Amino acid sequence: RKEVEQDPGPFNVPEGATVAFNCTYSNSASQSFFWYRQDCRKEPKLLMSVYSSGNEDGRFTAQLNRASQYISLLIRDSKLSDSATYLCVVNGANAGKSTFGDGTTLTVKP
Amino acid sequence: DTAVSQTPKYLVTQMGNDKSIKCEQNLGHDTMYWYKQDSKKFLKIMFSYNNKELIINETVPNRFSPKSPDKAHLNLHINSLELGDSAVYFCASSEGLAGRGTQYFGPGTRLTVL
Repeated sequence: RKEVEQDPGPFNVPEGATVAFNCTYSNSASQSFFWYRQDCRKEPKLLMSVYSSGNEDGRFTAQLNRASQYISLLIRDSKLSDSATYLCVVNGANAGKSTFGDGTTLTVKP
Repeated sequence: DTAVSQTPKYLVTQMGNDKSIKCEQNLGHDTMYWYKQDSKKFLKIMFSYNNKELIINETVPNRFSPKSPDKAHLNLHINSLELGDSAVYFCASSEGLAGRGTQYFGPGTRLTVL
C-alpha cells in the first residue's frame, strides 16, 4: 500500500461546479498535512495547510479526518484557472519524511 | 527576488556524461530537498539536508551525489547519466526541521538524457 494515495482523476468539471478530492495516508503518526497545486510545466506551490478543525480559504475548504486517515479538498464555484494537478502532502513522524501523493488532475471547462 | 532558484533550467546531454544542477535559496531556511518528477508526473523525494547535514537519502543510486556547501545551497551532481535519469528535478526548501513545514520549490531543471 502506498503511503499517500490520491484518486488520479482526471476530474473534468464545468465552470461553477463543486468538486472534492480525497487523499488517504497510511501512517497514523503523521503530523502535518498540506495541499499543493502544480500547473503544467511549473513547480508545486502550497495551496493550503490542513488542520484538524478544518480550514477554509475563499472557495477552498480542507478537512482532516485522523480517525479514518484521510484529508479532503473541496473547491466551490470552480474557475477555469483552477485547472491544475492537486497534490496531497503528508509529513510523517520521522524527521525529514515528507510524502507527496501522485496528484489529482482537475480540468475546469467553460 | 527569486526565493528558490535552480540552474540550469534545461539540460540536454548524452548518456554516460556527468552533470551538475545548482540550487540556492534566499529564504534563510534550514532545510533543502531534491525531488525527481518523472514522465508520469510522480514527485519523489531524493534527498533532504538540514543545516548542511544529510537527513534523507531515499534509495537513490550512488551516481547521484548531493553537496551542501552552506545551508543556502544544495547542489546535485550526477555521474554516468542514464536514459532513465531523464526527468524534471526540483529543489525545495523549508523552515526548521526537515519534513515539517511548508516547502518552497524552485522552477525545476528539465534533464533530457539522449
